[in-house]
Amino acid sequence: GESVGLHLPTLSVQEGDNSIINCAYSNSASDYFIWYKQESGKGPQFIIDIRSNMDKRQGQRVTVLLNKTVKHLSLQIAATQPGDSAVYFCAENVQQGAQKLVFGQGTRLTINP
Amino acid sequence: DGGITQSPKYLFRKEGQNVTLSCEQNLNHDAMYWYRQDPGQGLRLIYYSQIVNDFQKGDIAEGYSVSREKKESFPLTVTSAQKNPTAFYLCASSILGMEQFFGPGTRLTVL
Repeated sequence: GESVGLHLPTLSVQEGDNSIINCAYSNSASDYFIWYKQESGKGPQFIIDIRSNMDKRQGQRVTVLLNKTVKHLSLQIAATQPGDSAVYFCAENVQQGAQKLVFGQGTRLTINP
Repeated sequence: DGGITQSPKYLFRKEGQNVTLSCEQNLNHDAMYWYRQDPGQGLRLIYYSQIVNDFQKGDIAEGYSVSREKKESFPLTVTSAQKNPTAFYLCASSILGMEQFFGPGTRLTVL
């Protein structure tokens, strides 16, 4: 069925290092992908998105890469800071014309001082 | 102050009771969504609405009901038919085709 999964449930990096969070998706027809950050007890916060006609998109300290050939999505965070510690979710839009998102289970990112 | 509000933040329910969770947005978004999140899990779609007076079932709609009488409001009722309602409930809204913005969530506990 439709699903979005993550390769690593947890990731620890040193403060200042770059981190990469990976995501595999299963629906080849998905046209839109989003990364969210969720801190404990709070709602998800939008980080960055990418449409299926793009391979790469950059924001402030974040980059999303999309590889449609292998149905893989990644989030790169540069120069990680303690405030980056959170759970990161990828989501894919599985229904064009309506934003019906399917979320992955999340990766917990911990930044070590 | 624009955004999405959910109330209450914490809600306790006895078995067999229906409860209604509130979601309001002043972002003038057409679409609104309800998700359920269980511990250590991702979000699962319960219901969504793209326009007033219309809504569609998501992946786990059984035991839930919604209404969309006003553009800014999308209340969710958790009925007694929902066998395992204890969870974190998240409401979101969006411009159609754009990213969803989430509220702070309501944590529902069945006693």
